[in-house]
Amino acid sequence: DAEITQSPRHKITETGRQVTLACHQTWNHNNMFWYRQDLGHGLRLIHYSYGVQDTNKGEVSDGYSVSRSNTEDLPLTLESAASSQTSVYFCASSSSRLNEQFFGPGTRLTVL
Amino acid sequence: SQQGEEDPQALSIQEGENATMNCSYKTSINNLQWYRQNSGRGLVHLILIRSNEREKHSGRLRVTLDTSKKSSSLLITASRAADTASYFCATRSFTGGGNKLTFGTGTQLKVEL
Repeated sequence: DAEITQSPRHKITETGRQVTLACHQTWNHNNMFWYRQDLGHGLRLIHYSYGVQDTNKGEVSDGYSVSRSNTEDLPLTLESAASSQTSVYFCASSSSRLNEQFFGPGTRLTVL
Repeated sequence: SQQGEEDPQALSIQEGENATMNCSYKTSINNLQWYRQNSGRGLVHLILIRSNEREKHSGRLRVTLDTSKKSSSLLITASRAADTASYFCATRSFTGGGNKLTFGTGTQLKVEL
């Protein structure tokens, strides 16, 4: 069955370190998204991609970057982790022809 | 900024009762979607309603959309303990382009035995 996976599921890091969160989907979807979820804010869009070599900034993109070298993967990099980036991160994907998004299980990131 | 705002923020009911959650939004939309999130898990898509639709059903779920009031409601009938979760509305707006969704802050539903 097609799925979307994220790794690691839990990560503790220190302020200033570079961190990369992986997202891999086997749906063959063109569209991929990264969100962060914080209490009181719901889900906020960080970056998104509509296809290979395409990346776009979302609502809260400062301090984050993504790259899309193939259809299946959209890694999210925190260039210099800050305590304000402690959050739960969700990756999602969708087909261009459908509007529903399929979510991964999430990565809980703690920045000390 | 949040496009959708759910109401109430938390809801506690007994098993077998109906649960109603509301969502209000600010700008014109192409469609509105409802998602469920169980504790510690990712979101799962429940139902999508387009701007030209007024009501949609899926199993025990009933969604209504009133574009004149910029609001939607999700009704879960004959609730079960397994319905305990957070429920989010998400809107796809005309101005957004592509396939971006804007999520609300969610309603936490607790169904007690």
